[in-house]
Amino acid sequence: DAGVIQSPRHEVTEMGQEVTLRCKPISGHNSLFWYRQTMMRGLELLIYFNNNVPIDDSGMPEDRFSAKMPNASFSTLKIQPSEPRDSAVYFCASSPNRGGNSPLHFGNGTRLTVT
Amino acid sequence: GQQLNQSPQSMFIQEGEDVSMNCTSSSIFNTWLWYKQEPGEGPVLLIALYKAGELTSNGRLTAQFGITRKDSFLNISASIPSDVGIYFCAGHYGGSQGNLIFGKGTKLSVKP
Repeated sequence: DAGVIQSPRHEVTEMGQEVTLRCKPISGHNSLFWYRQTMMRGLELLIYFNNNVPIDDSGMPEDRFSAKMPNASFSTLKIQPSEPRDSAVYFCASSPNRGGNSPLHFGNGTRLTVT
Repeated sequence: GQQLNQSPQSMFIQEGEDVSMNCTSSSIFNTWLWYKQEPGEGPVLLIALYKAGELTSNGRLTAQFGITRKDSFLNISASIPSDVGIYFCAGHYGGSQGNLIFGKGTKLSVKP
C-alpha cells in the first residue's frame, strides 16, 4: 500500500520566491491535513480538508499561505512570497474518516529552507 | 488553549533497559495517540487509546489512557537500537478533527 506521498522532499529557495508543496493522500481517505514542524513550536496544524473541502484554516499563519485540494488525490500548499521564517518541515497527513479521533497517516515531509 | 506537557525531553539509555515517558495536561482529552518519528520521515502511529483507563500493548510497547483523562504514558520494554527516534503523544479533545494537539516529543537514544 502506498502511503501519503509528498513532493519535493527538499526545497531550497530564496526569500520572495513562490513555493508549492504537493501531497497525494492515501487512496480512499476522506480527510487531508497540512502540518508544519519546527524545533521551537513542534507540530502545528495549518489547515485540513474533508472530502476536498477546507474545513479549518485557522492555523494558516498569514495570507501568504494558501492550500487547495482540487480532487481526492491531490493537494497543494503554496507560500507566496516565501520568507526565511517559513523554513520548516511541512507534513501532509490523511485520515480514513471524519471522526475526530481517527488516526493520521503522515507523509515523509518536505524540508523547506528559505534563504 | 489546550497544551500537552511531554516528558522527558530526551533520554539516553542502554540497550535492554526499559523506557517510560508521559504526557500530561490540565485539560481533558477523549483520545490519546502515540507516534514515533525517525530522521527524515513522518510520524508513524504506534498506539491509539480511546477510553479512560485503557491499557494497550503493541509488541514491546505499552500505553495507558489515564483515568483522569488528563494524562497518558508509553512504556518500551527491553529497548533495542532501532527504538531510537522521537516519540510524540497527541491528544484529541473532542469535536472537529482539528482539535488534536501534539506534545513536543521525547527523543530516545539507545546505546548498544
